[in-house]
Amino acid sequence: DAGITQSPRHKVTETGTPVTLRCHQTENHRYMYWYRQDPGHGLRLIHYSYGVKDTDKGEVSDGYSVSRSKTEDFLLTLESATSSQTSVYFCAISGEGADTEAFFGQGTRLTVV
Amino acid sequence: GENVEQHPSTLSVQEGDSAVIKCTYSDSASNYFPWYKQELGKGPQLIIDIRSNVGEKKDQRIAVTLNKTAKHFSLHITETQPEDSAVYFCAATRSGYSTLTFGKGTMLLVSP
Repeated sequence: DAGITQSPRHKVTETGTPVTLRCHQTENHRYMYWYRQDPGHGLRLIHYSYGVKDTDKGEVSDGYSVSRSKTEDFLLTLESATSSQTSVYFCAISGEGADTEAFFGQGTRLTVV
Repeated sequence: GENVEQHPSTLSVQEGDSAVIKCTYSDSASNYFPWYKQELGKGPQLIIDIRSNVGEKKDQRIAVTLNKTAKHFSLHITETQPEDSAVYFCAATRSGYSTLTFGKGTMLLVSP
């Protein structure tokens, strides 16, 4: 399995609180991605990174921010969590962009109450 | 941008039957089409992919076909087994792009 770890794996938080999810990789891959998975919507891209301090928005970026200060770590922050952000979040990595194999983490189940 | 439609959303088959999942894409410049399998409680994993310079690719019991003219591609699983039960995602992108566009997924259930 590719060396990719998400933390925490499960989290329950209250509406209005900030939340940070972490993705850590040991593969030295250039690209890192955050997706959310919801029933009926499949995998939707939140933000992605193509290098240290280089990030861009995906299709559902509102309410989320990201940071990548090191190659191995990609952080996803919900500045003020809302119930609509209850979801399963997946981090993915790839070496050379979208037309190469992506490796996914095990996911983080986030519940906002 | 790219739009990927995937059908059916759920598919139930008996063990030993074949299963076919179909996807259409909108961007005629897309040239890379991967398929991911997601088992319960896990992240998706690449099972097969195809590039636009070939029309078909096989790997044991799974195959993918691509029709560039019609802008659709399909996943074929033969001799299905219970362990094939999972959610399958198709996706599309083009060379040099940073992001994939996924279909909404197909839940495949193989009954013994």
